[in-house]
Parts: sequence; structure tokens; C-alpha cells
Amino acid sequence: EVQLVESGGGLVQPGGSLRLSCAASGFSFSSYTMHWVRQAPGKGLEYVSAISYNGGSADYANSVRGRFTISRDNSKNTVDLQMGSLRPEDMAVYYCARSGNYYDSNGYYTEAFDIWGQGTMVTVSS
Amino acid sequence: DIQMTQSPSSLSASVGDRVTITCRASQSINNYLNWYQQKPGKAPKLLIYVASSLQSGVPSRFSGSGSGTDFTLTITSLQPEDFATYYCQQTYTTSRAFGQGTKLEIK
Repeated sequence: EVQLVESGGGLVQPGGSLRLSCAASGFSFSSYTMHWVRQAPGKGLEYVSAISYNGGSADYANSVRGRFTISRDNSKNTVDLQMGSLRPEDMAVYYCARSGNYYDSNGYYTEAFDIWGQGTMVTVSS
Repeated sequence: DIQMTQSPSSLSASVGDRVTITCRASQSINNYLNWYQQKPGKAPKLLIYVASSLQSGVPSRFSGSGSGTDFTLTITSLQPEDFATYYCQQTYTTSRAFGQGTKLEIK
């Protein structure tokens, strides 16, 4: 079964750090770009970060750049999100997601998040 | 960064109705637009990619259209399981922004 399972969420004080992990199974993990997306309580989806299939490139939302670091271990089929200098506005459910292999009508690769984990809650509070 | 704006923010409809949700990008995104469905307490589910391609396993009552800056998601003959929140997302740039969501409720 193709699945993603997040872990590592919990309660952290403002200014603190937390490391989230996402374990993949059922597919060739090293072939896919992976992402983190978050959702604050009662709010919409917010894109957080991405890492390329081989870990060679990563990008971040402006709201987390310089505070969060994404990484992956293709030997363990995991993608992590190291979060630092946490703020109350970082409180959210954090989802791990996979970019499936999709192509437009011209044959160009395009991203679409076809597999999602169940999410892990991060609470930032004193 | 590209901003994605959905309308309406909420919508009431009845089983069997046809509904349309609109998503507008602040600049052209070609057709790099995806639609997701999310039910309470669950992860989002991919419905449509590259504006109009139906994800495998998604019922044919869902369809998408548009290009450039204006896109629509249409659901024909609403079913009880379709009441959920819908999000658009652009993947034209690395900001990969989502719209704010449209909550579809039962009338």
C-alpha cells in the first residue's frame, strides 16, 4: 500500500524547535519530489516546503524560510522538516505529500500532490 | 508571489445540483492548476491536475477547465459525499500557492 506517515508533532514553546518526520512506503521514494503543507486550526492549506527527488534542491515558503529546513534520506524512505524559532502562527497540522508523475498536453512534467499523510499536529504555546 | 483567489468562499447546494467553483490567479499560470477536496479531519485528496485532467479514481461528475488566470471546478449532480471544502493550487511557480478554499455545504 502506498502511504505516508508523519510523526514528531507536539507541544513546543515559542522560540523552540521541533523535527517532523514522514515515512514513505509502497512506492519508489527516491523518484519523487516531496513536500510539506500545513493547515492552521480552522484555516486553509498553506504550502511550506519541497525537496527534490535526490535532495539536491529545496525551496520554502517566505513565512518559514530561514527557520525551517527540509531534508530527506532515500536509504530510509524518509523526509524530515526541522523547524526552529517557532512562532504561535506556526501552529498547525503538518502534512507530508508526494508530487506524482503528471504531464501536461505538451509532455512537460507538472506537479500534483497525489499522496498525502494523515498529518501531525504542532502546537506552539507557552 | 502568485496569489490564488477562490469564489465563493462558501456555497450551499442540494443533492443533485450542479455547482461551479472559480479560482483566479494573480498572474498567468498557464494550466498549472490543481484541485483538491478535503473533508473534516482528513488529508486533502487530488481531484484534477493541469486544470482539466481527472485524477484516477475520481468520479466523472467532477470536471475542471480554464487556462491563464481563470479556472473553474464543476461538479454535476452533487452526491452526499461531495460536501467538503475544495482548494485550488498553482504549481506554475515554486510558491505552489493554494486558494483560500470553498466550503460546499448541504442546503
